[in-house]
Amino acid sequence: EVQLVESGGGLVQPGGSLRLSCAGSGFTFSHYSMNWVRQAPGKGLEWISYITNTSSPKYYADSVKGRFTISRDNAKNSLYLQMNSLRAEDTAVYYCARAFDLWNGYYIYTVAHDYWGPGTLVTVSS
Amino acid sequence: IQLTQSPSFLSASVGDRVTITCRASQGISSYLAWYQQKAGKAPKLLIYAASTLQSGVPSRFSGSGSGTEFTLTISTLQPEDFATYYCQQFNSYPRTFGQGTRLEIK
Repeated sequence: EVQLVESGGGLVQPGGSLRLSCAGSGFTFSHYSMNWVRQAPGKGLEWISYITNTSSPKYYADSVKGRFTISRDNAKNSLYLQMNSLRAEDTAVYYCARAFDLWNGYYIYTVAHDYWGPGTLVTVSS
Repeated sequence: IQLTQSPSFLSASVGDRVTITCRASQGISSYLAWYQQKAGKAPKLLIYAASTLQSGVPSRFSGSGSGTEFTLTISTLQPEDFATYYCQQFNSYPRTFGQGTRLEIK
């Protein structure tokens, strides 16, 4: 059974840092690209970052570019999100999500996020 | 790319047929997915590539569309279908979501 479990959330002051982790199991982690998606309280979903199975390339939403860094350790079946210079508007539940890729005979392309973790809450407040 | 869902709120009864629309600000071919989210839970993938049903998802869910206009249809609403639904595009980065459609029991 595919499982993703996030950890590392908590309360942090504005300007502070936090590192989130996502542990994958039940699948060959090193074969899949991964994403982080967040959801502010009572709000919709916001995609924030993507990393391929080989760690390059990486993509970020403008709202976190330059402050957040996505990384992974395939030997540990783990995905990470280093969050620096945190702001009140970064308060959200953070989900890791596996990329669902298809091959059309020429290239691989992502069509969805097929598995999600339960999320970890990050609260940025003084 | 901006995605606009309509309606934002929908009230319906068990057994009803409902349709949710997702409009993209520019063409995204068929690179669209639909998710269902229940309160306090992670989203669940329903449909990918605009019209392909994810394994294990009931056949009362269906998707259609391409280019800039897409629809999610639930043919016969069941009690467990009352939730919030999101579309997401995979044509380009950032992978934007629609604002969501909250489906409630009438």
